[in-house]
Formats: sequence, C-alpha cells, structure tokens
Amino acid sequence: GQQVMQIPQYQHVQEGEDFTTYCNSSTTLSNIQWYKQRPGGHPVFLIQLVKSGEVKKQKRLTFQFGEAKKNSSLHITATQTTDVGTYFCAGPRRGAGSYQLTFGKGTKLSVIP
Amino acid sequence: NAGVTQTPKFQVLKTGQSMTLQCAQDMNHEYMSWYRQDPGMGLRLIHYSVGAGITDQGEVPNGYNVSRSTTEDFPLRLLSAAPSQTSVYFCASSLQGRDEQYFGPGTRLTVT
Repeated sequence: GQQVMQIPQYQHVQEGEDFTTYCNSSTTLSNIQWYKQRPGGHPVFLIQLVKSGEVKKQKRLTFQFGEAKKNSSLHITATQTTDVGTYFCAGPRRGAGSYQLTFGKGTKLSVIP
Repeated sequence: NAGVTQTPKFQVLKTGQSMTLQCAQDMNHEYMSWYRQDPGMGLRLIHYSVGAGITDQGEVPNGYNVSRSTTEDFPLRLLSAAPSQTSVYFCASSLQGRDEQYFGPGTRLTVT
C-alpha cells in the first residue's frame, strides 16, 4: 500500500489565498520529491529535498522537509489560477530491492477567481 | 529533444485482448518506469528498469509484462486485458532512479 500519506485530498481556495499540502511517512525518507499535474496533463517535477530541515523556495512556492525526514510540506503564497492542479509528493518505496518511487495520492487544488 | 513519448494516446480494448503500450525517450536515461493512475489512487508503479536488459516489478505488476532491449524503449504489454486495467498509463524516465522523473503524456486505456 501507500507509504506516503498526503493531506488534504482536495482544497478549494479563493485566488490570493494561501495553500498548503502535507506529506507524511511512517518511516524516515532519504529524500522526497514534489510533482504538479495540471488537469488532463502529466506529472511535472517541481523539486527534490534531501537534507533534514531543508527549506527551498521557488517564487511563491515554499517546500520543507521535516527535521526527522518523515514529513514534508508545500506552501503556495497568494494562489493564482495558474496554480490549479494536483500536487503529489513521492518518496522511496520501503523495502524495495532497488530504487522505486511511491507517490502520495495527491492534493487537488482548485482556485476560485 | 522530444523527451518521453508514448503511443497511443487513447485505446479501447475488449476484455481478453492484448496490446502493447509504447514508450521511448531520447535523453539517454538509464532508469525507466511505468505507472498507472486511477482516480483517488495517485500513481502506482507497475514495472521499472534500471538499464537495458534489466527489469523488475513494482507495486502492481500483475497482468503486465515489460522488456528493455534498448536504452531508449520500454514497452508495456497487457497480456489479456481486464476491465480493472482501465486507467491512465504514464511512462517516466530519469538519469538514475533517485533523480527527477520525466513523464510522458500518458495513454488513456479503456477495457470493456
């Protein structure tokens, strides 16, 4: 089953409001990746976090990796309609023989203009 | 560079039919993988390959076969299609498994 849990499943915000999605794992992750999928599109890589407590910013997007490397978050400041889509986190699959990614179920963001 | 390409974009099969979903990349990536995406389930790994001639099972491999005879191509074969295999299929590639994944545009498959 899924090893990374993502919440919330859906989020509706007014344009200009902030948005946050959270990713949690029961085990320590060596790294975590974030992807964005626009409606009808394919997942597109956003960022990878590797270090404990790491914080990275991309314009209005802020990504954090927890101190224990078991959780991560993506925060969008002042959402715009271009932010619409589903955001996925992905981490290494536990117990896999060689490297495999396991994805959270995603948070679907709707932005009301 | 074309990146990751997938064909066909859409496909309708009858139960029991077989078919091959094509995936190719021109980035000289060693790692390639197949995912299926179902509503509310995220992306689930079907099979993956760490290089030509090497393949392995992911989370949901039953009913699918893969092969990797070249670095560029990684086809996914459905042996005997079932309605449960109705899904959107994405192929992805990366330099190494831990690196950012580049996804193809997807194949929407319906099995009736």
